[in-house]
Amino acid sequence: GENVEQHPSTLSVQEGDSAVIKCTYSDSASNYFPWYKQELGKRPQLIIDIRSNVGEKKDQRIAVTLNKTAKHFSLHITETQPEDSAVYFCAANNFNKFYFGSGTKLNVKP
Amino acid sequence: GAVVSQHPSWVICKSGTSVKIECRSLDFQATTMFWYRQFPKQSLMLMATSNEGSKATYEQGVEKDKFLINHASLTLSTLTVTSAHPEDSSFYICSVRAETQYFGPGTRLLVL
Repeated sequence: GENVEQHPSTLSVQEGDSAVIKCTYSDSASNYFPWYKQELGKRPQLIIDIRSNVGEKKDQRIAVTLNKTAKHFSLHITETQPEDSAVYFCAANNFNKFYFGSGTKLNVKP
Repeated sequence: GAVVSQHPSWVICKSGTSVKIECRSLDFQATTMFWYRQFPKQSLMLMATSNEGSKATYEQGVEKDKFLINHASLTLSTLTVTSAHPEDSSFYICSVRAETQYFGPGTRLLVL
């Protein structure tokens, strides 16, 4: 099956700074890569996604990049705010199944 | 997007009892649903793929006789944790695959 690795496990930034979270995947057949934000005790919420035929996608302060050759994709959050503090998961879709990274706990300090 | 509900949201049970968790797709007919478990401060681990009208597909290492899945309709999948033990205590989340994946609110199971 697919193996998704995510780094870093924790990330602390000052409000207003940028945050970058990186993921790698193992199976070149994976073709869809969503990112989820999960607050404590709540369900994961989709924040942005990218398909394998696209290299970059942006939605306001959030962007995702994908390098299919290297099999890695990254989440970029600019102008971070305290409400961005949460756990972020990347995922790779492979044959209709989703495999998740281990998560990154982002702490934005005011 | 799809709206997914789960019931119950919390359950506490004694060791040895069975617990049923329901996952409902409220506005989307889901031929496929997924069940995950999540331990504290850990990632979501895919347990099984629930297929409407057929047997579930379990991930490696997940005991199918322990975690019974039934997907009797396009809007309902159930996960039954049989003979629950304290190590089964976890956060169980279902999801529905539409144009992307939508998660239920989760069920927190505590086995005493």
